[in-house]
Amino acid sequence: RKEVEQDPGPFNVPEGATVAFNCTYSNSASQSFFWYRQDCRKEPKLLMSVYSSGNEDGRFTAQLNRASQYISLLIRDSKLSDSATYLCVVNLSGSARQLTFGSGTQLTVLP
Amino acid sequence: GAGVSQSPSNKVTEKGKDVELRCDPISGHTALYWYRQRLGQGLEFLIYFQGNSAPDKSGLPSDRFSAERTGESVSTLTIQRTQQEDSAVYLCASSPGGLAYGYTFGSGTRLTVV
Repeated sequence: RKEVEQDPGPFNVPEGATVAFNCTYSNSASQSFFWYRQDCRKEPKLLMSVYSSGNEDGRFTAQLNRASQYISLLIRDSKLSDSATYLCVVNLSGSARQLTFGSGTQLTVLP
Repeated sequence: GAGVSQSPSNKVTEKGKDVELRCDPISGHTALYWYRQRLGQGLEFLIYFQGNSAPDKSGLPSDRFSAERTGESVSTLTIQRTQQEDSAVYLCASSPGGLAYGYTFGSGTRLTVV
């Protein structure tokens, strides 16, 4: 089992749709969680941190379920510019690597 | 600097040659990371520096790969006797050191071995 696992997609959704991605992680003691976005042939960029109580940033909502060891990202009213690969990122407790990146979920928003 | 700076942005080299990739982290960031990303693939961890020490080198794929960091500043990743399978984008990231902050990535060096 991968340490951080994501559905690779692709997710193809129409503009204005709501789309959700899940990510599972292997270590129940993990402390820090993030979502990154990576555009084609670009570097990953931090989209948002994920807090225990869940958090929202505009159209984006992130949630953490420690009991089931997954995090989610919800995008409402999707825009063409949301098309990218979304990376789930977790600090696996005790890891000297600090943060472990999932392989990403590809999203394409269609006009 | 304002962001993580990597150079060169593109490098084409002949098989068997050595290459050196440079990363200049955000000023004050104590932690520095190197990743590799092959075309269409996920991020592959290579090495992590805290200051100028490397607590985790476990991701370096072979002894042809080495990395150094000067204090809390510039890092270089050296690949000796390059092979075609080394072709990838090499990404550097830095962070203030605390896990609450996430990483900031540079725009990468695209290495092509011909």
